[in-house]
Amino acid sequence: GAVVSQHPSRVICKSGTSVKIECRSLDFQATTMFWYRQFPKQSLMLMATSNEGSKATYEQGVEKDKFLINHASLTLSTLTVTSAHPEDSSFYICSARETGTYGYTFGSGTRLTVV
Amino acid sequence: DQQVKQNSPSLSVQEGRISILNCDYTNSMFDYFLWYKKYPAEGPTFLISISSIKDKNEDGRFTVFLNKSAKHLSLHIVPSQPGDSAVYFCAASLDGGATNKLIFGTGTLLAVQP
Repeated sequence: GAVVSQHPSRVICKSGTSVKIECRSLDFQATTMFWYRQFPKQSLMLMATSNEGSKATYEQGVEKDKFLINHASLTLSTLTVTSAHPEDSSFYICSARETGTYGYTFGSGTRLTVV
Repeated sequence: DQQVKQNSPSLSVQEGRISILNCDYTNSMFDYFLWYKKYPAEGPTFLISISSIKDKNEDGRFTVFLNKSAKHLSLHIVPSQPGDSAVYFCAASLDGGATNKLIFGTGTLLAVQP
């Protein structure tokens, strides 16, 4: 089946620094990838839709200058949390949809802790 | 505004019995629903889905029921196994799943007791 690899699985960074999270579709091409955020005991909230070769579409309330998304190829999307602050600490999950299908495959998530 | 709600944060069931997880939604335009299973510190894993043109879909031990008039769906797991213990999320989307957006519920933690 479709596999999405997300890296790193956990990261601790200092306040004010930037962190990059990678999301790769390993055995399929994905023109669209999605980035979610989950707070403890809460739902997964869609942050943005990453489109290969074009700008990402951000959900209301998500700062595009803070959460930079790049989808340079059909198999890779990156999320960069810029100038991270403790309130950015969360669990970030990507998902990808194989081109031409309705199936969503999720990555294993990244636990970000900003100290 | 939570468009997809799972009102039971947790559920405990004995092994071998039936687990019933419930989900309610408010947007009548949703026409495709999915259930995901999630372990801590991992991404969700797809379980089963249902289109709004159906009222039931079955896959092995998992059955999803949809009641459009009540805007309610449920996931039945029978028989329940200890390995089913996880958080279960329902999700809804528009346009038969072709849209970009999945709206997730808040999840229900299922504990299956041996």
